[in-house]
Amino acid sequence: EMVLTQSPVTLSLSPGERATLSCRASQSVSSYLAWYQQKPGQAPRLLIYDASNRATGIPARFSGSGSGTDFTLTISSLEPEDFAVYYCQQRNNWPLTFGGGTKVEIK
Amino acid sequence: EVQLLESGGGLVQPGGSLRLSCAASGFTFSTYAMNWVRQAPGKGLEWVSGASGNGRRTYYADSVKGRFTISRDNSKNTLYLQMNSLRVEDTAVYNCAKGRGVDDYYMDVWGKGTTVTVSS
Repeated sequence: EMVLTQSPVTLSLSPGERATLSCRASQSVSSYLAWYQQKPGQAPRLLIYDASNRATGIPARFSGSGSGTDFTLTISSLEPEDFAVYYCQQRNNWPLTFGGGTKVEIK
Repeated sequence: EVQLLESGGGLVQPGGSLRLSCAASGFTFSTYAMNWVRQAPGKGLEWVSGASGNGRRTYYADSVKGRFTISRDNSKNTLYLQMNSLRVEDTAVYNCAKGRGVDDYYMDVWGKGTTVTVSS
């Protein structure tokens, strides 16, 4: 099973700062990686697919990069509504897997 | 508006069975892959199962293989998850999630979920 390791587990930042989240795969997933945002009590929201493509309606401050085993989600300038948990997910291999999540909290 | 509405959750004893349903609306159901994803209390997301648009290709997490069965009735725009031999560790909120395409398993629309509690 493909393991996705996200780091850091928690990221403490202030509004306006840049957030950089990492997702590392145990083997290559090519570019078949997505990022999701989840707020408390809500279902996840797709942000990025195929490593770098923003989903419909996602603001330009969210960007994704990487291929193979190392991927990054960048939030260029944190807005108050961006404080949440972020998950990566691969669809290169069955079974699909999610990373353990990174919580972006207000410093 | 694209919507997914799960139902069928509840309290069940270990070893018991439940069938979850997910009613879809606002899109051409048969042209999209569908998934079940669960989240145990205070934990992260765990993908459970997926089915292609026509339902002929189905996939499972190792943790549920042989116990859970995913199916879909495209005439009723409904996705199902038959869960047998339930274990305490299956306790979670179960969400259905729409894929981006007929065989694309990124999840772009999610339901609000239904809660399954396995306890004696």
